[in-house]
Amino acid sequence: ELKVEQNPLFLSMQEGKNYTIYCNYSTTSDRLYWYRQDPGKSLESLFVLLSNGAVKQEGRLMASLDTKARLSTLHITAAVHDLSATYFCAVALRADKLIFGTGTRLQVFP
Amino acid sequence: KAGVTQTPRYLIKTRGQQVTLSCSPISGHRSVSWYQQTPGQGLQFLFEYFSETQRNKGNFPGRFSGRQFSNSRSEMNVSTLELGDSALYLCASSEEGSSPLPLHFGNGTRLTVT
Repeated sequence: ELKVEQNPLFLSMQEGKNYTIYCNYSTTSDRLYWYRQDPGKSLESLFVLLSNGAVKQEGRLMASLDTKARLSTLHITAAVHDLSATYFCAVALRADKLIFGTGTRLQVFP
Repeated sequence: KAGVTQTPRYLIKTRGQQVTLSCSPISGHRSVSWYQQTPGQGLQFLFEYFSETQRNKGNFPGRFSGRQFSNSRSEMNVSTLELGDSALYLCASSEEGSSPLPLHFGNGTRLTVT
């Protein structure tokens, strides 16, 4: 059964700093997603990564995928308070069956 | 385009009762999937429907069931509710399933079982 591990589970960081969230998964997949969830809200799609070496950037967030290592990273550059949320990676097992990681709760403070 | 719409937003039920949740996908989307989110277990896949057929099912007991209609709208039903069924139930839609495009999630139905 596919397992998806995220770390850290909780991240408290100062505004302006950089940090990386890691997502390891246990079996091959053709799609990896990153989602953001604000408290009490639904999931917002951030990135879809399809191939080895894929890199996507949106604002202060950059996601990458290494299918050989079964590793994806979400890098945060110069964090701001608005990035405070929980971030999930999810791996597609088949069709739209996604296996989610545990989530990383990010808090950005001044 | 309207997003994924889930109704109701909140629901309170008693143990032993049954409940039906509804999901209207984005127009043109034919794949609908359901997820359960709890603090303890996180986000877990329930099932996925495409063109009225269940294509994938997660590891949930038979009390959890679903269906999809010809207009792609979907319902999920939970019978004989247990306290542990309290959760946020999220519905997601995509155009075809296995698409390189992201799944779009609704705002969820928060179910509380007392």
